[in-house]
Amino acid sequence: EAGVAQSPRYKIIEKRQSVAFWCNPISGHATLYWYQQILGQGPKLLIQFQNNGVVDDSQLPKDRFSAERLKGVDSTLKIQPAKLEDSAVYLCASTHDGTSPYEQYFGPGTRLTVT
Amino acid sequence: KQEVTQIPAALSVPEGENLVLNCSFTDSAIYNLQWFRQDPGKGLTSLLLIQSSQREQTSGRLNASLDKSSGRSTLYIAASQPGDSATYLCAVIGTAGNKLTFGGGTRVLVKP
Repeated sequence: EAGVAQSPRYKIIEKRQSVAFWCNPISGHATLYWYQQILGQGPKLLIQFQNNGVVDDSQLPKDRFSAERLKGVDSTLKIQPAKLEDSAVYLCASTHDGTSPYEQYFGPGTRLTVT
Repeated sequence: KQEVTQIPAALSVPEGENLVLNCSFTDSAIYNLQWFRQDPGKGLTSLLLIQSSQREQTSGRLNASLDKSSGRSTLYIAASQPGDSATYLCAVIGTAGNKLTFGGGTRVLVKP
């Protein structure tokens, strides 16, 4: 079974530029998550989708971050414009909701550096 | 609001010693608790998941216990090896939904 795929793996941009990350969850997983992990900290949830609907985006900085999951499969997270404090690893995870206990499977992450 | 704490933030042990990693959480109304391993520059690998009705889970040299009433979990790694060097994260899912709240992690170094 293929795992969660993410691209790109690394990205370096200047502040005020825009950037987009892509995630393809494990086949059949209805719920998809985006997390932000700042160096030395645990991941923080940005947004949670179930199929193509948003379940929780309470910690997403909506003035600059946006995310979509149009067909209920893969997802894109965008930052526009980027700030220095957005430098972090962006992790995507997915869950099969049909069975407990909601174990989350993570992708390799995208490391973003904003200069 | 759920808060998850991991102490210590960093730990160094000689090869062969047993590792004890601690995790505490403020709200005992959890659905499950998950322990992850993260290698530098990599994503998270799930090690063990304990459901709220369980008290422990074991996988090879790893054993995780859960005491929901006191808001604590402990990950034991027996006979540590240099390959165990990584950051270990614990995370809980509250009963209100399947959102993971993470601790800050414990960075482990096992010296040969």
